[in-house]
Amino acid sequence: DAKTTQPNSMESNEEEPVHLPCNHSTISGTDYIHWYRQLPSQGPEYVIHGLTSNVNNRMASLAIAEDRKSSTLILHRATLRDAAVYYCILRPNDMRFGAGTRLTVKP
Amino acid sequence: EADIYQTPRYLVIGTGKKITLECSQTMGHDKMYWYQQDPGMELHLIHYSYGVNSTEKGDLSSESTVSRIRTEHFPLTLESARPSHTSQYLCASSASGGGSEKLFFGSGTQLSVL
Repeated sequence: DAKTTQPNSMESNEEEPVHLPCNHSTISGTDYIHWYRQLPSQGPEYVIHGLTSNVNNRMASLAIAEDRKSSTLILHRATLRDAAVYYCILRPNDMRFGAGTRLTVKP
Repeated sequence: EADIYQTPRYLVIGTGKKITLECSQTMGHDKMYWYQQDPGMELHLIHYSYGVNSTEKGDLSSESTVSRIRTEHFPLTLESARPSHTSQYLCASSASGGGSEKLFFGSGTQLSVL
């Protein structure tokens, strides 16, 4: 089974921020938190990853709790193209994806 | 930037045929994976490999087999295709390391068995 839990679905309005949560209470000290997203009819693509500190890149931001048992992927301004299933997994040892969070973006 | 390729993109085949789904990567990655995914459903790990001559079965019971004779190539074979094998098959790879290595996915093969 996947080592992470995420809500099944979330909705957002276009151009508003979206906060996608992930719980990983059994995370080990060496696990990295990775986020991927899967657009319709495509394979998953990398979004962002982090170990302890918050991370920013051109796609998103990753906020990691101080105890590392949860994290939040932040899309600062959701667009219609961000509608996808978002997965968080722990690397390097976790190769199993859960159901992820299906994000719907409303115009 | 993702140098991982799957062929064919779509395959429609009759029951009982032997098929091989190809997956190749040019990044020199040691780790490679096969996932199976039905529409709107979870990704299920069916096979993985940590290097040449290393293959393991994943969680989902699968009648497919894999081989890893070369680092860059990780084909999946179905000896006798059945309608229950109709699904999307996704290949992925990553470098070995401490956990910061990204997973790269191919575009997938959509298999339909009639």
